[in-house]
Amino acid sequence: GDQVEQSPSALSLHEGTGSALRCNFTTTMRAVQWFRKNSRGSLINLFYLASGTKENGRLKSAFDSKERYSTLHIRDAQLEDSGTYFCAAEVGGKLIFGQGTKLSIKP
Amino acid sequence: GALVYQYPRRTICKSGTSMRMECQAVGFQATSVAWYRQSPQKTFELIALSTVNSAIKYEQNFTQEKFPISHPNLSFSSMTVLNAYLEDRGLYLCGARDWGGQDTQYFGPGTRLLVL
Repeated sequence: GDQVEQSPSALSLHEGTGSALRCNFTTTMRAVQWFRKNSRGSLINLFYLASGTKENGRLKSAFDSKERYSTLHIRDAQLEDSGTYFCAAEVGGKLIFGQGTKLSIKP
Repeated sequence: GALVYQYPRRTICKSGTSMRMECQAVGFQATSVAWYRQSPQKTFELIALSTVNSAIKYEQNFTQEKFPISHPNLSFSSMTVLNAYLEDRGLYLCGARDWGGQDTQYFGPGTRLLVL
């Protein structure tokens, strides 16, 4: 069955606001990566976490392997943040992707 | 920085024919290369993982006979979709990482395959 459950599947935010994406795992994962798929279809690396939290600008991610989840927080959302966000959990040397969250930012 | 290039970016092939796609890692050693497919309306699905000096491991539902992969050195990999049919259409991603460096997997922009 699915090992990575990502939510929500779609999210609409007004500029300047924030929210969180979440991935739950059905088993213990070694690490997690977060990506954003841009308008050209490329996967842009956002974070790689083996544990704890990382922050980069308006984005912050956390990973708790014991509790089997990871989150991606976006604050002060801007129009250019629009896109589809994926989490991917690492187990056994391979990545298992979540279903993606389509994020739309409204002026 | 670490970059991954993929070629071609988009291709169309006739049903029953084969199509080869390439993946080039720049700025790091691609000790392992993973090939993924994103079919329409689905997420990315691992096809196979290739690690230098190890056998290529294919996931369930994917076989070497259908998706032969070459990983001849630390910067290049190729995969062929043999006898492509409609269900093979989608975006094929190459993800490469250097086990000796950071664990981040870097992805190319993908090869979009359309089958007529």
